[in-house]
Amino acid sequence: GAVVSQHPSRVICKSGTSVKIECRSLDFQATTMFWYRQFPKQSLMLMATSNEGSKATYEQGVEKDKFLINHASLTLSTLTVTSAHPEDSSFYICSVLLRRSGEIKQYFGPGTRLTVT
Amino acid sequence: DAKTTQPNSMESNEEEPVHLPCNHSTISGTDYIHWYRQLPSQGPEYVIHGLTSNVNNRMASLAIAEDRKSSTLILHRATLRDAAVYYCIVPGSSNTGKLIFGQGTTLQVKP
Repeated sequence: GAVVSQHPSRVICKSGTSVKIECRSLDFQATTMFWYRQFPKQSLMLMATSNEGSKATYEQGVEKDKFLINHASLTLSTLTVTSAHPEDSSFYICSVLLRRSGEIKQYFGPGTRLTVT
Repeated sequence: DAKTTQPNSMESNEEEPVHLPCNHSTISGTDYIHWYRQLPSQGPEYVIHGLTSNVNNRMASLAIAEDRKSSTLILHRATLRDAAVYYCIVPGSSNTGKLIFGQGTTLQVKP
């Protein structure tokens, strides 16, 4: 398997500021990571695919200029929520894609709870 | 992704087996069936996946119908720590690795 960490686990920021969330693959080199968002009592919503060394691919309806993704190394992807607003308050979760023998699995981080005041 | 249908919620008693069903009638021949679960305030965790044959691991068993249009996740002895939302996902053959999460089944385990 793969161990995935996220930092910070919780963050509170003021409206209009930017927040950076880190996702690290601790024991596996990941060319592909994913970012999800989850509102209370709802399911996970895929935001974007983070590709090492290239631009992220965003899902329909996700603003790429608001949610900046950088995947500069095989073990680190970052999500920056720019000019955060209260409606961006959510649980942000990253995952690492593992491909082996034609099969795929995702290993998830513990999540980051963002509260925008 | 093939559409999946799961009951919204299920209840179980501790130390009894739990059978969580999933319908995926539009599955194609090469699509794997994946199960993940999410404990409260945590990221999801992989449970099991399979293609055609039934699968077992230390967490659970996966029983796949012969026509592959449905599957059942089996927890052999539910514990209180198994209370979670269980997601059945059929990613499809696009090979992007993406997982699209539905609403899943919320499992309550009663002591």
